[in-house]
Amino acid sequence: EAGVAQSPRYKIIEKRQSVAFWCNPISGHATLYWYQQILGQGPKLLIQFQNNGVVDDSQLPKDRFSAERLKGVDSTLKIQPAKLEDSAVYLCASSLLNADTQYFGPGTRLTVL
Amino acid sequence: GENVEQHPSTLSVQEGDSAVIKCTYSDSASNYFPWYKQELGKRPQLIIDIRSNVGEKKDQRIAVTLNKTAKHFSLHITETQPEDSAVYFCAAYGQNFVFGPGTRLSVLP
Repeated sequence: EAGVAQSPRYKIIEKRQSVAFWCNPISGHATLYWYQQILGQGPKLLIQFQNNGVVDDSQLPKDRFSAERLKGVDSTLKIQPAKLEDSAVYLCASSLLNADTQYFGPGTRLTVL
Repeated sequence: GENVEQHPSTLSVQEGDSAVIKCTYSDSASNYFPWYKQELGKRPQLIIDIRSNVGEKKDQRIAVTLNKTAKHFSLHITETQPEDSAVYFCAAYGQNFVFGPGTRLSVLP
């Protein structure tokens, strides 16, 4: 079974620039999560999708972050414009259902200069 | 919303000893409690989980206990080995997943 795929693996941008991350979940997994993990901290949930609908986005900074999962499979997370404090690893995870075992992708390490 | 606390933040044990990490949660509606191991530069990997209808679960050297009344759950690792060295995160799921801040476990040979 293929795991969760993410790209790019690394990204370096300057503040105020835009960036987008892509995630392909495990086939058949209805639930997809985006997390932000700042160095030395636990993952923080940004947004949770169930198929192509948003279940929770209460911690997503909506003035600069957006995410979509148009066909209920792949997802993209965008930051526009980026700030220095957005430097982190962005993890995508998927599970069969809500409150089920999550499988994480390798993450995208974002550095904002 | 849910708040998850985790203690200790760092833990050093001698190889072969046991390690215990404790987490507390605030939302009594939380019903699923996974534990993840994260090695440096790697993704979090699920090592064990427990649901609210169970008090204890064991998988070889790893066990998790849950006390719903006190709203806390603990990870127990017995016969620790150097390869157990990593950061461990607890999480709780009520309306969404909330992670603890992590415990850095070092197993000294």
